[in-house]
Amino acid sequence: DGGITQSPKYLFRKEGQNVTLSCEQNLNHDAMYWYRQDPGQGLRLIYYSQIVNDFQKGDIAEGYSVSREKKESFPLTVTSAQKNPTAFYLCASSIFAGSHEKLFFGSGTQLSVL
Amino acid sequence: QQQVKQSPQSLIVQKGGISIINCAYENTAFDYFPWYQQFPGKGPALLIAIRPDVSEKKEGRFTISFNKSAKQFSLHIMDSQPGDSATYFCAASITGSARQLTFGSGTQLTVLP
Repeated sequence: DGGITQSPKYLFRKEGQNVTLSCEQNLNHDAMYWYRQDPGQGLRLIYYSQIVNDFQKGDIAEGYSVSREKKESFPLTVTSAQKNPTAFYLCASSIFAGSHEKLFFGSGTQLSVL
Repeated sequence: QQQVKQSPQSLIVQKGGISIINCAYENTAFDYFPWYQQFPGKGPALLIAIRPDVSEKKEGRFTISFNKSAKQFSLHIMDSQPGDSATYFCAASITGSARQLTFGSGTQLTVLP
């Protein structure tokens, strides 16, 4: 069953704590992305990676960190520096389909602050 | 410059009716306009997309209408069904690049049985 697997589905963070969201894909896609989704807002890009061992900041990278040690995995760490971490986090991968990139999303992780 | 403005925020339609969601953009460099469908607790999935060289694209009950001069595009869902109840996002990109996708704020569609 190919796709993007995100875990956990729900995560709670205490004050001052770093938490890591997992994202694994078996689609053999090179590019992977992390988005943040807040109620009533569109998706905002946090980080993206086009190849292993390389990643770039998106529009709202402050307070977040990522790694890309394997093609299949792109974990996101929400650090204590992120003062408003409560949101729905979506991981995605992409392939080129003709003239554009097609995004494939995981089912998301809901992060809440205790 | 990079914003995509989407309306309405929420929409309630009777079964069998037509659902219409509108988006407007400012950046004339946008050249790829996808729509995504998201069910509660799930990630978005690509529904249909259009490039600015055509004014309309239809896939089943879903149609994108594109007005380049007005910098607007819209999604029409014909014969709306309760199973269409979801959040719909429009988006726009330059050169079809995923890292340059700008999303609208979403429309929560409810189709009443």
